[in-house]
Amino acid sequence: ELKVEQNPLFLSMQEGKNYTIYCNYSTTSDRLYWYRQDPGKSLESLFVLLSNGAVKQEGRLMASLDTKARLSTLHITAAVHDLSATYFCAVDFFNAGGTSYGKLTFGQGTILTVHP
Amino acid sequence: KAGVTQTPRYLIKTRGQQVTLSCSPISGHRSVSWYQQTPGQGLQFLFEYFSETQRNKGNFPGRFSGRQFSNSRSEMNVSTLELGDSALYLCASSFTGWRGHNEQFFGPGTRLTVL
Repeated sequence: ELKVEQNPLFLSMQEGKNYTIYCNYSTTSDRLYWYRQDPGKSLESLFVLLSNGAVKQEGRLMASLDTKARLSTLHITAAVHDLSATYFCAVDFFNAGGTSYGKLTFGQGTILTVHP
Repeated sequence: KAGVTQTPRYLIKTRGQQVTLSCSPISGHRSVSWYQQTPGQGLQFLFEYFSETQRNKGNFPGRFSGRQFSNSRSEMNVSTLELGDSALYLCASSFTGWRGHNEQFFGPGTRLTVL
């Protein structure tokens, strides 16, 4: 069974602190996505990581991908209240035929709360 | 460029009824995927359509069905609604759904409540 696991599932941070969210997946994949979801809202694409060693940064968020370890990280630097949201990682799994046809498998989500 | 649109945004139904949700993808996107999001099960893949053909299907009962039209718009239908079908239904579009072109952009979702 294909699995994507995030940890921690709940993260309470103080403003100004740094922290990392981890995303492990169980089967070979060479692309990983990070999404943000605000309460009652849809998913907003944050990062697309397409190859081993890929690193992308946007503001206070930085994502990386290690395909050999089947691990992606989302690092938060100097957190601010506006970053409070639920963060999901998602993976494309490809079968021997080379495609998963539009299916993303999501982690459970990490609920991030940033306190003043 | 307009994003993915979904209608209706909110829906209240009773058990046993059926419901149809609609999704219009980003212009030029031909792959439409549907997901169900619930607090207990998280985000789960329902099915994907491309060029009016269902290419992939998740582990949902046959009460869940869908279709895609020639303009890439998609609908999903849930028959004989159950309380457990209460969820946020998200539609996502991508260019082709094929490897390398599977970055998905999500619509605002339809919140379905079954009473």
